[in-house]
Amino acid sequence: EAGVAQSPRYKIIEKRQSVAFWCNPISGHATLYWYQQILGQGPKLLIQFQNNGVVDDSQLPKDRFSAERLKGVDSTLKIQPAKLEDSAVYLCASSLGLLSSGNTIYFGEGSWLTVV
Amino acid sequence: GDSVTQMEGPVTLSEEAFLTINCTYTATGYPSLFWYVQYPGEGLQLLLKATKADDKGSNKGFEATYRKETTSFHLEKGSVQVSDSAVYFCAVPGGYNKLIFGAGTRLAVHP
Repeated sequence: EAGVAQSPRYKIIEKRQSVAFWCNPISGHATLYWYQQILGQGPKLLIQFQNNGVVDDSQLPKDRFSAERLKGVDSTLKIQPAKLEDSAVYLCASSLGLLSSGNTIYFGEGSWLTVV
Repeated sequence: GDSVTQMEGPVTLSEEAFLTINCTYTATGYPSLFWYVQYPGEGLQLLLKATKADDKGSNKGFEATYRKETTSFHLEKGSVQVSDSAVYFCAVPGGYNKLIFGAGTRLAVHP
């Protein structure tokens, strides 16, 4: 079974530029997550989708970050304009069902962003 | 709210030493508990989980027991290898169907 796919793996941009990350979750997984992991810290949830609807985006800096999940499958996360503090790994993850029912969240390898 | 506290790293051990990484949590009810591992340059991989109190999750020689009395889920391994060098994250469900992660504990194992 294919895992969560992300691209690009690495990106270096200048501050105030824009960047977009793409994610393809595991087939059939209804829930898709974007986490931000700053160096030396644990992942922090940015946004959570259930099919193509947003469940939680309370930690998404909406003045510069946006995300969509068209057709309830692939998702893109965009940052515009980027700031130095956005340098981080952006992890996409997916889950088949509820954690309370014994399901697991599976992560991609991450997209590593450096803003200079 | 729900939260996770892990022991700070880095933890530096010699090969074949015993490993313990402490994790305590606050959560509503008795949720499933998780340990994830992140090898250098990679994403997070599920290492093990436990779905109810007193359950022991195990994988690749690692074990963790769900202790509701002490709200703990400490990670242990009897004999670590150089290949176990990684960052380990304890996680607990929070809100609706999402995971809250600890800050991570870096493990370095030397030959």
